[in-house]
Amino acid sequence: QVQLVESGGGVVQPGGSLRLSCAASGFTFSSYVMHWVRQAPGKGLEWVSFVGYDVNTKYYADSVKGRFTISRDNSKKTLFLEMNSLRAEDTAVYYCVKELSGAYTFEIWGQGTMVTISS
Amino acid sequence: QSALTQPRSVSGSPGQSVTISCTGTSSDVGGYNYVSWYQQHPGKAPKLMIYDVSKRPSGVPDRFSGSKSGNTASLTISGLQAEDEADYYCCSYGGSYTWVFGGGTKLTVL
Repeated sequence: QVQLVESGGGVVQPGGSLRLSCAASGFTFSSYVMHWVRQAPGKGLEWVSFVGYDVNTKYYADSVKGRFTISRDNSKKTLFLEMNSLRAEDTAVYYCVKELSGAYTFEIWGQGTMVTISS
Repeated sequence: QSALTQPRSVSGSPGQSVTISCTGTSSDVGGYNYVSWYQQHPGKAPKLMIYDVSKRPSGVPDRFSGSKSGNTASLTISGLQAEDEADYYCCSYGGSYTWVFGGGTKLTVL
């Protein structure tokens, strides 16, 4: 079955960096657009970033532009999110999400990984 | 982009119907038929319930339906069941490869 498993979360000081990973299985990873969506504690969902089938098409929410970098390794079926210059407001559960092909829709979600920015 | 506007909470008794609204602008909800709805139980990942305004993924009960009029989309749940109690989020494509979510609605089954 389709599965997404995130890892790499943890506690980081403000200004620090963290790299999240998402291992995909059960589908042809290279054929699907992938996203990161986050949810601050007790808050709603926020779209963070998108990467197309090819590794060169990438978009970001204004709140993370210039600080976060999305990437993918299709040979390893893995999605990444490199997060730099982290702020307290980046504290959230980060979800890896597979897009429903052609529907601009978040079809399959991972279980999430918690990122806490605190001194 | 600003978040889409949803009521903070709605409630209904088992067997009843409830509707959750989601208001955006002509740049998101009103401009595209890419509105989706997600159900989230406490401590769990969101689950896709409706996409393309009114389409249901395989496995989602037909008690869940979606619609849109102008800049407002709606999710209707008929024949409420206890397991429907959850948070519900709407989402719209906002153009230029951006997406915007609503603030979420807590559904309580009385």
